[in-house]
Amino acid sequence: QSVLTQPPSVSAAPGQKVTISCSGSTSNIGTNYVSWYQQLPGTAPKLLIYDNNKRPSGIPDRFSGSKSGTSATLGITGLQTGDEADFYCGTWDFSLNAWVFGGGTKLTVL
Amino acid sequence: EVQLVESGGGSEQPGRSLRLSCKASGFNFDEYVMHWVRQAPGKGLEWVSGISWNSGTIGYADSVKGRFTISRDNAKNSLYLQMTSLRPEDMALYYCVKGNYVLIDGFDIWGRGTLVTVSS
Repeated sequence: QSVLTQPPSVSAAPGQKVTISCSGSTSNIGTNYVSWYQQLPGTAPKLLIYDNNKRPSGIPDRFSGSKSGTSATLGITGLQTGDEADFYCGTWDFSLNAWVFGGGTKLTVL
Repeated sequence: EVQLVESGGGSEQPGRSLRLSCKASGFNFDEYVMHWVRQAPGKGLEWVSGISWNSGTIGYADSVKGRFTISRDNAKNSLYLQMTSLRPEDMALYYCVKGNYVLIDGFDIWGRGTLVTVSS
């Protein structure tokens, strides 16, 4: 049981938009920045979004992040088959004194 | 090029020990927090431990507290994870991950991982 809650899977057609939710509490998302990681099949995770909504250099603006209260959302527009991956949200939890992740969401581009 | 290369993984019996290493290159290793994050086969990500640039602040997940010890040698650009009293549930791919300036900041560079198998 992960501290942060994500939907196990989402799907959409190429070119469409999808959102992935990440729900937490006041001790984690409610008080710290959220980051998102993309894990393509068979590879290590890669930073996609940091500080709730900032993109590292090289990450296209098709990827966006937002946060409201104790929830965060990753948005992906203009879906491509190459976007198929597992996506994880993460943040520091001040009660646990530990980093926590969501259980991961598998994106399928139909 | 920023690179993190893990080593030291392998197969070990429950109750035994293993030491993981991570060699960093391409950035000022001694300025940044470093972490270990693991991923059990077919499962999600789990943070294991993190250490500040000067080893002054260290954190552990409850699941490994008292059994694992993180350390670093800035002169060698290296991060370590001493794992003792190994359990079957410690079996995972262990990633060395670069953080930022404090433990609560996110992770920006990930190594490819080193696989730890725990089985009798």
